[in-house]
Amino acid sequence: NAGVTQTPKFQVLKTGQSMTLQCAQDMNHEYMSWYRQDPGMGLRLIHYSVGAGITDQGEVPNGYNVSRSTTEDFPLRLLSAAPSQTSVYFCASSYAARGGFYGYTFGSGTRLTVV
Amino acid sequence: AQSVTQLGSHVSVSEGALVLLRCNYSSSVPPYLFWYVQYPNQGLQLLLKYTTGATLVKGINGFEAEFKKSETSFHLTKPSAHMSDAAEYFCAVSDDPGTASKLTFGTGTRLQVTL
Repeated sequence: NAGVTQTPKFQVLKTGQSMTLQCAQDMNHEYMSWYRQDPGMGLRLIHYSVGAGITDQGEVPNGYNVSRSTTEDFPLRLLSAAPSQTSVYFCASSYAARGGFYGYTFGSGTRLTVV
Repeated sequence: AQSVTQLGSHVSVSEGALVLLRCNYSSSVPPYLFWYVQYPNQGLQLLLKYTTGATLVKGINGFEAEFKKSETSFHLTKPSAHMSDAAEYFCAVSDDPGTASKLTFGTGTRLQVTL
């Protein structure tokens, strides 16, 4: 089925470990973003991309890196995990058409716990 | 900078009653506005969006929202609540003139539907 695929769905890390959250979409969308969701805080933008090779920081980028070498993939790297990065992470993709920006399609999320 | 305020973190309605979820935004330019719904342990699903044109926007599952520039509001309504509407609802805004791909989300409103 077409959509946004995130792996893994669950992950437990120890403080200081690094890991990559994977995100792939098969809809040929140009826009992709990473958000984190924390209770009572809604979703906050970490990094986003408007096309292959182009990325930029969002509201809470510290401790995270991204790259966009292909249209399909947008991995999120945690450099040195901290307990403050315990959260649910969502990847999303979208496109712009003649009517404007369509709106994001979200993946099902990765629940990350840092101990 | 853009921001979103959702009044009421929890709203409870009886089945068959009117649903009204409030969203106010701040933006320095005409905004793009979105409502998303999140069911437990799932990603977010786009309910409806306003970009330009008609200020009353109809979405999926019988929801609609009206963009009121003078009130900087984009409240979500549904005439008759159903048990399946129980979920968390997020309002989002973007004033990115280029792509609208940088969304700012509100903190969410959890809708409870009772018999």
